[in-house]
Amino acid sequence: DIQMTQSPSSLSASVGDRVTITCRASQSISNYLNWYQQKPGKAPKLLIYAASSLQSGVPSRFSGSASGTDFTLTISSLQPEDFATYYCQQSYSTLSITFGQGTRLEIK
Amino acid sequence: QVQLQESGPALVKPSETLSLTCALSGDSVSRYYWSWIRQPPGKGLEWIGYIYYTGSTNYNPSLKSRVTMSVDTSKNQFSLRLSSVTAADTAVYYCARCPGVVSPGVALFDYWGQGTLVTVSS
Repeated sequence: DIQMTQSPSSLSASVGDRVTITCRASQSISNYLNWYQQKPGKAPKLLIYAASSLQSGVPSRFSGSASGTDFTLTISSLQPEDFATYYCQQSYSTLSITFGQGTRLEIK
Repeated sequence: QVQLQESGPALVKPSETLSLTCALSGDSVSRYYWSWIRQPPGKGLEWIGYIYYTGSTNYNPSLKSRVTMSVDTSKNQFSLRLSSVTAADTAVYYCARCPGVVSPGVALFDYWGQGTLVTVSS
């Protein structure tokens, strides 16, 4: 299986901050990396697919990038509704889809 | 608007079989792939597997021996069965749409059900 490792596991930030979350794949996955946002008690929501493409309806303050096996999710200016847990997911190996362990973004 | 709704028993006894159904509206189960994903309380997401309307399936290797998925095109729904459950199978179970798996770029989950908590306990 392809292992996905997110860092940090948790993060405290303030409204208006710029935040970056990283996801590292255990092997090359090209750009087949997706990001989800999950709020407490809710299902995950697709934010970004193919490393950097914004899902329809997602605010432009969210962006994604890739460099080798490292992927980043950036929120340019945190809004109150952005405090949630974020997960990466690789879609390179379609026979064994895997998620990162999650990054919890909390209010400072 | 695509909507998915999970249903099934909230409590299952150890060693028994967990059975869940996902009812689909706003789309046809005969399009795309359909997945199950679970999340133990306070933990991360685990992909269980996916099914195509033809009955073609692929399961997480760690669960493969216990998982069976099926699809009912007449009812526009699909189902999950997980056998020989233990407390470790206690989780919120989500059903989700997966646009495709032939191309890696579309093996993502763009619509999700609200999730249903299944507790394994005697």
